[in-house]
Amino acid sequence: EAQVTQNPRYLITVTGKKLTVTCSQNMNHEYMSWYRQDPGLGLRQIYYSMNVEVTDKGDVPEGYKVSRKEKRNFPLILESPSPNQTSLYFCASSFRGGQGFEQYFGPGTRLTVT
Amino acid sequence: AQTVTQSQPEMSVQEAETVTLSCTYDTSESDYYLFWYKQPPSRQMILVIRQEAYKQQNATENRFSVNFQKAAKSFSLKISDSQLGDAAMYFCAYSPSGFGNEKLTFGTGTRLTIIP
Repeated sequence: EAQVTQNPRYLITVTGKKLTVTCSQNMNHEYMSWYRQDPGLGLRQIYYSMNVEVTDKGDVPEGYKVSRKEKRNFPLILESPSPNQTSLYFCASSFRGGQGFEQYFGPGTRLTVT
Repeated sequence: AQTVTQSQPEMSVQEAETVTLSCTYDTSESDYYLFWYKQPPSRQMILVIRQEAYKQQNATENRFSVNFQKAAKSFSLKISDSQLGDAAMYFCAYSPSGFGNEKLTFGTGTRLTIIP
């Protein structure tokens, strides 16, 4: 089954304790992206990757890091989380081809930083 | 920068009736993609319908259809024969075509309630 997986699904942590949210896709997509969702703001892009070892900032990259060492994986790293990073996070992967464009989303990770 | 505006934070409709959700966007591009996503209480993002800007014909998926007005930069979603399972947050989204960041720019969402 084609899918994007994220782990963990729920995480409660304290300010300053480094954490990683993993993302993996099994569709051999080159493009992957992270979004955060906050009430009244919709989803906003944090970082994206167009291929292995190619990453770039999205609209709200401050406080986050990413890496893309393998095509299927795109982890999101919070080296020193703060309460304003409490949010719902989505990983996505996509393809563009002759049949158009579609972005596949993971199930989301609910992060609470206290 | 592209922007997407959903001016209806909340809407409600009687079961079996028809409802239309509004979306406007701003872009200087001539070719792009537009989407409607549904987010039920499970929080999963589910693609409802997709429109390619160069196609004049409005997209349709079963009970869901769009009214795409390119000159007006308007992209509304019509849900016919509303069902209880349609209750969700609906997001309109834009993506540029071509090579580069395939970022989706989202609106702020419309929460749809279905009245039995």
